[in-house]
Parts: sequence; C-alpha cells; structure tokens
Amino acid sequence: GENVEQHPSTLSVQEGDSAVIKCTYSDSASNYFPWYKQELGKRPQLIIDIRSNVGEKKDQRIAVTLNKTAKHFSLHITETQPEDSAVYFCAASTGTGNQFYFGTGTSLTVIP
Amino acid sequence: NAGVTQTPKFRILKIGQSMTLQCAQDMNHNYMYWYRQDPGMGLKLIYYSVGAGITDKGEVPNGYNVSRSTTEDFPLRLELAAPSQTSVYFCASRGEAAGYTFGSGTRLTVV
Repeated sequence: GENVEQHPSTLSVQEGDSAVIKCTYSDSASNYFPWYKQELGKRPQLIIDIRSNVGEKKDQRIAVTLNKTAKHFSLHITETQPEDSAVYFCAASTGTGNQFYFGTGTSLTVIP
Repeated sequence: NAGVTQTPKFRILKIGQSMTLQCAQDMNHNYMYWYRQDPGMGLKLIYYSVGAGITDKGEVPNGYNVSRSTTEDFPLRLELAAPSQTSVYFCASRGEAAGYTFGSGTRLTVV
C-alpha cells in the first residue's frame, strides 16, 4: 500500500516567518493530496488540497505544491500567526472514495 | 447539516468489556471510515465502507468489528477491550470528490 512520510515532526517559527512542511509518497497512482490541521483536543480539519493535475494551489496565506515526478508535496504557510499553532497532517489517496494514507504529523508552534 | 456525529465523546472501559462507538452522517456520503489516533501519532485506519452493506479492513482491524446497514450509520464495535485500545477514535465520511469530514472524536480509556 501507499506510504506517506512527513517532515519535520516538530517546527517552531517566529510570528511572521514562513513555515514549510514536506511529505513524500510511494504510490505513483496517488492523485489527491489533502492537508489537515488539528488543534489540541479537536478533530482534524481540511485546510487545503491539491489534485495530481495541478502543480500548485494557494488560499490566502496557505499554499501547497506538488512534484509528481519526485513524488513529494509541501505545505507553505506565510506570515505565520500564533493561531496557526497546531498539528498538521498530509495525506494521499489513489482515487474517489479510496482511503487516505496519512503522514505522522508536524507539530507547528508559532512564537509570538 | 450536522455533518458527522460521533457518540460518546468520552468513555472509560474495564478490560474485557465491550462497547459500540456510534457514527452517523447526514451528507449522503457513500464512503465512511474509522481511524484511531494514539497520543502524538498519526491516524491509523481501522475499517472502512464504500457503501451500505460493504465493509473492509484497514491497517489495524484486530479487536474491532463494523457494520453498515444504512448509508447514514457506521458503528464500530470493540469486543473484549484491551489497554492497547486506549486511543482517540475518529469517524470520517467522504463524498465523491472531496476530502474527509471528521467527527469530533471519542476518547476511550481501557483500564
């Protein structure tokens, strides 16, 4: 099955700096890559996603890039704010309805 | 729309007891999933369903059972609870072209 690796496991940045989280996947058939944010004690929430026919997608301060050849995708958060502090999970899926394979998570701390 | 509703939110079980975690969604999603999340870890798939009457095992199915008699409901059954099943359990559903919608989770402790 698919194997998703995520780095780093922890990340601390100063408020206003950028944060980058990277994931790699193993199954070249994967074609959908969502990112989830999980605040302490809460459920994961979808923040952005990208499909394999697109190389980059932006939503305000958040962007995701995908390199299909290298089988990696990244989450970029610019102008970080304390409320961005959370655990972020990447995931990969091979098709509609198919299960997501999750990375192990990155704990992001934004220092005011 | 309530989205995905999980009950209970918290539960303490004694070793050997059984219980059912309830999950219901009102979005008419065909695909539903059960994950467990151990402290500081990612999400591991227990079971999933692609439609009413169809279920399949995920990565960590041992000690659990599921059923999917309706599109809306996807209960997870724990038989003979063990301390290793102490975890937070998330139910999720997915439409045809979207990401998961997660329930609020059930925090289970087995003592």
